[in-house]
Amino acid sequence: KAGVTQTPRYLIKTRGQQVTLSCSPISGHRSVSWYQQTPGQGLQFLFEYFSETQRNKGNFPGRFSGRQFSNSRSEMNVSTLELGDSALYLCASSGEGGGGTEAFFGQGTRLTVV
Amino acid sequence: GENVEQHPSTLSVQEGDSAVIKCTYSDSASNYFPWYKQELGKGPQLIIDIRSNVGEKKDQRIAVTLNKTAKHFSLHITETQPEDSAVYFCAASPNFGNEKLTFGTGTRLTIIP
Repeated sequence: KAGVTQTPRYLIKTRGQQVTLSCSPISGHRSVSWYQQTPGQGLQFLFEYFSETQRNKGNFPGRFSGRQFSNSRSEMNVSTLELGDSALYLCASSGEGGGGTEAFFGQGTRLTVV
Repeated sequence: GENVEQHPSTLSVQEGDSAVIKCTYSDSASNYFPWYKQELGKGPQLIIDIRSNVGEKKDQRIAVTLNKTAKHFSLHITETQPEDSAVYFCAASPNFGNEKLTFGTGTRLTIIP
């Protein structure tokens, strides 16, 4: 069974631009969460989607948004990029049936804003 | 919201010795406490987890203990090996799975051969 796949693995953007990151969950998983990892702030929860609906949201500005498609694939978008948005963005998926599963993480997308 | 504190931030242990990492949490609504291991260039990988109706759980060389009254939980690794070197994160969540995990700040564990 394939794991969580995130694309692209690396991205370099200029301040002010916008970016879209993609996450394909494990087959059958309907919950997808996004996390930002930085050396200073650690791992911080961005938002969680389940069945195309945002179920939980962290404390990030509105420049950070996401969506989930009917096949459970998810995208997150960051608009008007700032230097501080440079981070590793991680996606995690989990299953809900049969008592559920733990969260499985992808390898992340390394975003560098210059 | 939930706040998770993790100590120590770095830990060096002789190969074969034990390592202990401790976390405290603030929200009594948290019921699920996973531990993740992150190696360089990879995403976090679950190594063990515990739910609030259990006080201790063991899986080979790894064990986790939970004290809900004191709001703290700990990771114990025995007979450490070089491949245990990594960054370890504790986390807390209201529910099992993927909902809004709040992570500790991480512990960089180094096993000295």
